[in-house]
Formats: sequence, structure tokens, C-alpha cells
Amino acid sequence: GQSLEQPSEVTAVEGAIVQINCTYQTSGFYGLSWYQQHDGGAPTFLSYNGLDGLEETGRFSSFLSRSDSYGYLLLQELQMKDSASYFCAVSAPNTNAGKSTFGDGTTLTVKP
Amino acid sequence: NAGVTQTPKFRILKIGQSMTLQCTQDMNHNYMYWYRQDPGMGLKLIYYSVGAGITDKGEVPNGYNVSRSTTEDFPLRLELAAPSQTSVYFCASSKTSGRAVEQFFGPGTRLTVL
Repeated sequence: GQSLEQPSEVTAVEGAIVQINCTYQTSGFYGLSWYQQHDGGAPTFLSYNGLDGLEETGRFSSFLSRSDSYGYLLLQELQMKDSASYFCAVSAPNTNAGKSTFGDGTTLTVKP
Repeated sequence: NAGVTQTPKFRILKIGQSMTLQCTQDMNHNYMYWYRQDPGMGLKLIYYSVGAGITDKGEVPNGYNVSRSTTEDFPLRLELAAPSQTSVYFCASSKTSGRAVEQFFGPGTRLTVL
């Protein structure tokens, strides 16, 4: 089976940097993805790490350490519109589909 | 491209009724998925499909059925609706498995069973 842990809530101020951690326990591991979901909306894909290290996409970066079963999403220059829920998801190898197991999400509140 | 579309957006069912949630994608994706999301929780995989004619169970398949007769469509059937099936249902698709795990989600169907 697979399980993921991430903090339930994080609060930060506009312009700051925030890090959302994700630890996982899996019977097999292929990669770690991150999704953003605004209240009432659909999840949207942010990033994917298949290898150890940092992936950068604009203000967002994602990191993976497979030896530690740990990853994080780093959001820089926070904006009010970044207030949303963020989900990490692990995908397992040897499957016929991009099956992913999602964490329960971290609600980020950005304050002025 | 419209991406992934779902109908209906909202539905209220009585206990024991049945319904079909529709999902269509126009991106020619092979893989499609159905998830449910309960309040304050993550997404739980109900069923998935790797292509037309092929479906398989996810984490929480009980009470649901799916079919995949075409690449574009992946309907989810609820038989004998129960209050525990009150949730938001998301359909998603992706181009391939493995490294290209980016999933594209539809807007969701908000279902209430009373």
C-alpha cells in the first residue's frame, strides 16, 4: 500500500516563501507530483519529480529525496492567488496506468 | 480543445436511485480515471482505464461501475445510491503512464445522496 503525510494547514504572508512537505511510504515508487486546487475547483498539475533533486517552474519549485521518502513544494514571492490546497501524489512503477495516490492536502492561506 | 468535460455539475439523488456521471476528453488520452473527494480530504481513485475496452479497480470501487467503449468517453455508474456516496467526483485523463503523469481534471460533479 501507499500512504502520504503532509501538513493540514500552512499560513504565510504575501511576498514570503513557504515550503510544504510531503513524506510517503510506498510498496513501490516512481515519482512525486504536486497539484494545486482552489476552493470549489479542479486540481491542476504543478510539477513532477522522478529523480532526486530540485525542479523549478517559475515561482514554484519541487524537491525529491528518494532515500528519505520525502519531498517538498516551495512557493516563492507568495501572492494572494496562491491561497489554495496543495496535494502531493505518488505514482508507483510497474503499473499499466499513471495511477497516483494522493495525500490529504495542505491548505495554504496567504495573508496580506 | 475543451479538455475534460463532466456532466452534470450538480445532482441530488435519493437513497437507492441510480445515475451515470458522464466524462469526455478531447485530447486523445489513453488513460482516464475517476476519483472521489470528500470534504477536506484528498482524491481517492475509484476506477481507471488504460484504453478503450480496458478498465480496472482503484482504491474505492465498491458501489460503482465503469465502461470504456471509446477513447473519449469514460462514464461512471452508481447503482443503489447511498449517503456514503455523497462526494465530489472528478474525472481525469493523462497521455501516458510513468514519467508523463500529468493528469488533466474535469470540473467535477457534486453529488448529494439523501
